[in-house]
Amino acid sequence: AAGVIQSPRHLIKEKRETATLKCYPIPRHDTVYWYQQGPGQDPQFLISFYEKMQSDKGSIPDRFSAQQFSDYHSELNMSSLELGDSALYFCASSLRPKNTGELFFGEGSRLTVL
Amino acid sequence: AQKVTQAQTEISVVEKEDVTLDCVYETRDTTYYLFWYKQPPSGELVFLIRRNSFDEQNEISGRYSWNFQKSTSSFNFTITASQVVDSAVYFCALSEAAITGGGNKLTFGTGTQLKVEL
Repeated sequence: AAGVIQSPRHLIKEKRETATLKCYPIPRHDTVYWYQQGPGQDPQFLISFYEKMQSDKGSIPDRFSAQQFSDYHSELNMSSLELGDSALYFCASSLRPKNTGELFFGEGSRLTVL
Repeated sequence: AQKVTQAQTEISVVEKEDVTLDCVYETRDTTYYLFWYKQPPSGELVFLIRRNSFDEQNEISGRYSWNFQKSTSSFNFTITASQVVDSAVYFCALSEAAITGGGNKLTFGTGTQLKVEL
């Protein structure tokens, strides 16, 4: 079965650069979530989208933005990168009307800021 | 606000021992979901189990079992006859059963590092 696809899997950037992470949800899933997991930390919710509209917002820095496109894939844009942005970024998707509560996670994109 | 507490930061056991990971949660919602995820060293989040707040039936699946007690807001996870491959960080998580907007945002506990040694 198709899973959530994230790209790139690994990314290395310098401070003050920009990075873009992409997420392709499971086919027919309409909701996408982004999580950030710092070293030794638990995943922290950043933002979610339902039917291409932002549905919830967590601890996402103002330097970050995200959107969901017409094909339901999502992109997380991170600008003016800081060392503290080094983390594992997870995307998850769900089918909201089914509302089973389950999120399906991608394998994560590991961002290293030097 | 929702909160998940995993008081055990790290647990070390010898292979074949049973181990229980504790999880206590707080929520004002009457309908919610509880989860356990496993994160091996490779980093991915592996879904283990989901329980909704109306289903307090405990379950055994192979070497895994869960004990959900609404009265104490606990959702503990037990591995029987642990194996070295069980070594990972285990996260307990909570989401509300969203009816409108927001979907099912997860709140994670801080995780328990399980080390299973030979």
